[in-house]
Amino acid sequence: KNQVEQSPQSLIILEGKNCTLQCNYTVSPFSNLRWYKQDTGRGPVSLTIMTFSENTKSNGRYTATLDADTKQSSLHITASQLSDSASYICVVSAGSTLGRLYFGRGTQLTVWP
Amino acid sequence: DAGVIQSPRHEVTEMGQEVTLRCKPISGHNSLFWYRQTMMRGLELLIYFNNNVPIDDSGMPEDRFSAKMPNASFSTLKIQPSEPRDSAVYFCANSLAGMNTEAFFGQGTRLTVV
Repeated sequence: KNQVEQSPQSLIILEGKNCTLQCNYTVSPFSNLRWYKQDTGRGPVSLTIMTFSENTKSNGRYTATLDADTKQSSLHITASQLSDSASYICVVSAGSTLGRLYFGRGTQLTVWP
Repeated sequence: DAGVIQSPRHEVTEMGQEVTLRCKPISGHNSLFWYRQTMMRGLELLIYFNNNVPIDDSGMPEDRFSAKMPNASFSTLKIQPSEPRDSAVYFCANSLAGMNTEAFFGQGTRLTVV
């Protein structure tokens, strides 16, 4: 069964600290993996998209890693800011161009001052 | 480009009424998706169009839901009749080509059926 599991479900950290969010998937055949950030009341915004051959990709203070062998991905946030408070959603794309997307339930991150 | 534009932003309706959600995609982006987001189930893909043609509607929950894309610049998602369990945030998203290119989301329509 194609699934995407994220952990933790929620996380609270202090401003300036680093954190790492996890995503495990069982989706096959794998096409790509994306991390989205969703602010409250807004639509998701893409942070990174990685294909099978990519191990790491950065977008500012956000760094995503992918281990296609173990089917795991992580999103590391460095020097967190209050504006990082949001839900982070892992999405895995399966199959070809007309394939399907599988969504994790998201990790709700709260950054406190 | 203003991005994906959805209307209305909020909709409150009585059970049994017809609801129509609207989406104006980004010009030139050929793939359009309708998603539903709830606290219980997270984000769910309802239907996916490519070049105005429905490709995959297996996520549409039941016959009360229908979606159309009459041209490249407009899509609708209709619920008739609406039920309280349809209450959710409905997102329209757009990508250049298919599932494997980056998707841009609209702001969403928060639907409440009372």
